[in-house]
Amino acid sequence: QKEVEQNSGPLSVPEGAIASLNCTYSDRGSQSFFWYRQYSGKSPELIMFIYSNGDKEDGRFTAQLNKASQYVSLLIRDSQPSDSATYLCAGSSASKIIFGSGTRLSIRP
Amino acid sequence: KAGVTQTPRYLIKTRGQQVTLSCSPISGHRSVSWYQQTPGQGLQFLFEYFSETQRNKGNFPGRFSGRQFSNSRSEMNVSTLELGDSALYLCASSLESMRVGNIQYFGAGTRLSVL
Repeated sequence: QKEVEQNSGPLSVPEGAIASLNCTYSDRGSQSFFWYRQYSGKSPELIMFIYSNGDKEDGRFTAQLNKASQYVSLLIRDSQPSDSATYLCAGSSASKIIFGSGTRLSIRP
Repeated sequence: KAGVTQTPRYLIKTRGQQVTLSCSPISGHRSVSWYQQTPGQGLQFLFEYFSETQRNKGNFPGRFSGRQFSNSRSEMNVSTLELGDSALYLCASSLESMRVGNIQYFGAGTRLSVL
């Protein structure tokens, strides 16, 4: 079992709809969680980070964390073609950070 | 403020050779982490350096090594290159060593091809 698991996709969402990306983790020592966006051929770019249970909103993005269920999600509202990318989920503890394999998101016009 | 700078951007080597990659972190950042990214394995953690000391290490063979200088710049070395070492090598810098909420910022990466 991978320590951070994501559905590889591709996840296809119509423009203007809500894209929902999910991530589960196995290490209960993980305390901080990050969502990075990576365009093809580019390096990862931080979108959101969260370390408290509940929701955290930033513009069109909302990160959700449920430590009891070991579950992290990212919602993208009003999806745009520019949101088409691979989204990496990562969990960090005091000594390591583990990335998921990423979910490929495609926004169709 | 300048971002994380990695050099070179592209490298072509042959099996058995060695290679050194360089990373200059964001000004003021003292932690530098290195990652290997391949289509099959995703983003794999190599090691982290903080104040010239290796703080954390991933599950890679001893052929992969690194160091950090007093100005926080870091180098990664891979000796006796294998075909499977072909990958995008990413460097990430952060203010502090790994702790709750510590954010890593990535450089553009060095794409290494081993022939």
